[in-house]
Amino acid sequence: NAGVTQTPKFQVLKTGQSMTLQCAQDMNHEYMSWYRQDPGMGLRLIHYSVGAGITDQGEVPNGYNVSRSTTEDFPLRLLSAAPSQTSVYFCASRPPGARGYTFGSGTRLTVV
Amino acid sequence: AQTVTQSQPEMSVQEAETVTLSCTYDTSESDYYLFWYKQPPSRQMILVIRQEAYKQQNATENRFSVNFQKAAKSFSLKISDSQLGDAAMYFCAYRPDSGSARQLTFGSGTQLTVLP
Repeated sequence: NAGVTQTPKFQVLKTGQSMTLQCAQDMNHEYMSWYRQDPGMGLRLIHYSVGAGITDQGEVPNGYNVSRSTTEDFPLRLLSAAPSQTSVYFCASRPPGARGYTFGSGTRLTVV
Repeated sequence: AQTVTQSQPEMSVQEAETVTLSCTYDTSESDYYLFWYKQPPSRQMILVIRQEAYKQQNATENRFSVNFQKAAKSFSLKISDSQLGDAAMYFCAYRPDSGSARQLTFGSGTQLTVLP
């Protein structure tokens, strides 16, 4: 039981490049979310999913896409990276009815 | 929209002493959950304690306890007998128990330093 696994842990991109941050959970959780963490601003919700095939936007969705083809995986795609997307990204999951989320260990992304 | 406010960007406490971190929130919901998460330098988000809004009794987890004042929309965290390992960033978070989203909203965090 690995919990929530995020890859990569670190990434440097050039402005305009695209990439996918991976998130996988092996707990059969229906709810999954992506957050970004910036200094002084806490964690802000980017996108979330309440089950396979269902996604929705959070507070800061611009510049990001998600899909949820399976219960286990919830990748986050950066379409054309910008320096403003330099941040630490967290994926989290929980089953329905549960009170708390399980978080991955985060991905530190730098866009130069 | 819900908001969560942590008005103390930094706090410090002497080892073995007690410290209280403040959190206020704004919501029109009646059913919700409140959480405190700890983020040490390892970056991992660790759930410290949670409180259901419908419960009047304050939650307690070992040295960690909360003071939940629903009418005042206040949710403070008290750490007793502080230890060096308690040094971390602490985030207060809110989650509604209704609606399609039911996602977490975080405060901006309080950096806690524990002095030996």
